Amino acid sequence: KQEVTQIPAALSVPEGENLVLNCSFTDSAIYNLQWFRQDPGKGLTSLLLIQSSQREQTSGRLNASLDKSSGRSTLYIAASQPGDSATYLCAVKGNYGQNFVFGPGTRLSVLP
Amino acid sequence: DAGVIQSPRHEVTEMGQEVTLRCKPISGHNSLFWYRQTMMRGLELLIYFNNNVPIDDSGMPEDRFSAKMPNASFSTLKIQPSEPRDSAVYFCASSSNEQFFGPGTRLTVL
Repeated sequence: KQEVTQIPAALSVPEGENLVLNCSFTDSAIYNLQWFRQDPGKGLTSLLLIQSSQREQTSGRLNASLDKSSGRSTLYIAASQPGDSATYLCAVKGNYGQNFVFGPGTRLSVLP
Repeated sequence: DAGVIQSPRHEVTEMGQEVTLRCKPISGHNSLFWYRQTMMRGLELLIYFNNNVPIDDSGMPEDRFSAKMPNASFSTLKIQPSEPRDSAVYFCASSSNEQFFGPGTRLTVL
């Protein structure tokens, strides 16, 4: 059974810092991995999708990497801004099903 | 596309009442998911459909919960009878490859 963990559970940084959020999964037989952000009281917004054949994806200040062999993905946020404050979740889709397994999330606070 | 549409956005009801949540997935997506999110338990997958067929309902908490997908553009999640512990935000999501979430329904059972 796939299990997804995210470390740290919470992170507070000053504005302008570059930061890395971590996602680990136990079963490397994945189809893809997706990063989301969730603002308080809101739904989940898709940030980046990495297919299993890819090593990384970039969108603006965000870069997500994937290392299937080690069961890890990282989300790199460059030059963080207060507007980046949110909870970031990763989700893994396995090769043998259509469902996604979510991590518990990392709550990020970027201080002005 | 308008994205995943959920209704109602907020629902307040009394214990014992029937609650029906509705979802319209993104056109062309073949998978639909119902999730529940609470502070205590985080995001939980309740059930998902593939091509309108329920594939895994092991996350449905008990028989009071039921979900249907009569066609590719509509799904419902029903709770009958509702209980205070069902209070949560219920999300619908759809996917063909990338998953997209609706805005959620905030359910409060008094």
